[in-house]
Amino acid sequence: NAGVTQTPKFQVLKTGQSMTLQCAQDMNHEYMSWYRQDPGMGLRLIHYSVGAGITDQGEVPNGYNVSRSTTEDFPLRLLSAAPSQTSVYFCASSYTSGTGSSGYTFGSGTRLTVV
Amino acid sequence: AQSVTQLGSHVSVSEGALVLLRCNYSSSVPPYLFWYVQYPNQGLQLLLKYTTGATLVKGINGFEAEFKKSETSFHLTKPSAHMSDAAEYFCAVSGRLGSSNTGKLIFGQGTTLQVKP
Repeated sequence: NAGVTQTPKFQVLKTGQSMTLQCAQDMNHEYMSWYRQDPGMGLRLIHYSVGAGITDQGEVPNGYNVSRSTTEDFPLRLLSAAPSQTSVYFCASSYTSGTGSSGYTFGSGTRLTVV
Repeated sequence: AQSVTQLGSHVSVSEGALVLLRCNYSSSVPPYLFWYVQYPNQGLQLLLKYTTGATLVKGINGFEAEFKKSETSFHLTKPSAHMSDAAEYFCAVSGRLGSSNTGKLIFGQGTTLQVKP
């Protein structure tokens, strides 16, 4: 199993450009999430999904869009990049059953710089 | 709304000493609780979790944590620190199956653990 795969690993954007960060998981997990990590601020939830076709906003959703057309994929779109979106982005997935949660499995991250 | 507070952004211990990283949560119902570790320039690795059953949970690398509902706490401990334990540690909370926060994982701000020789 590949787990959670994020692409690209590194990206430099100019202010105002748009792009999509890709996230795919092969574990048939129902839950997927996107986080950004900034020094001293921990990981902040951008958007999350509880299943195909269902998404919701997290703590810092402004400037980002998501969709989930399949169980496997959960892309994150930056509509018009701003320097404040310079960060490391992590995608994660998990499942929950009557016996509890699997715990989220994280991808290796995308380091994004907006100039 | 769920939230997590980690007391102390930096903790320094000597090698061989007890490690105690504090985590308190806020949730209307008992949540699922997690500890993750992040080594420099790496992703996050699950250390341990409390979801159902025993309130004292054991994880990888000799770490354990105890869920205390009355104190809304989930502190992480390790009896004897190793140099290799130096990393950043994150406590996180999500809603139980069927709750309004199911699948929504919220993190604390992290605690950097320094281990001195």
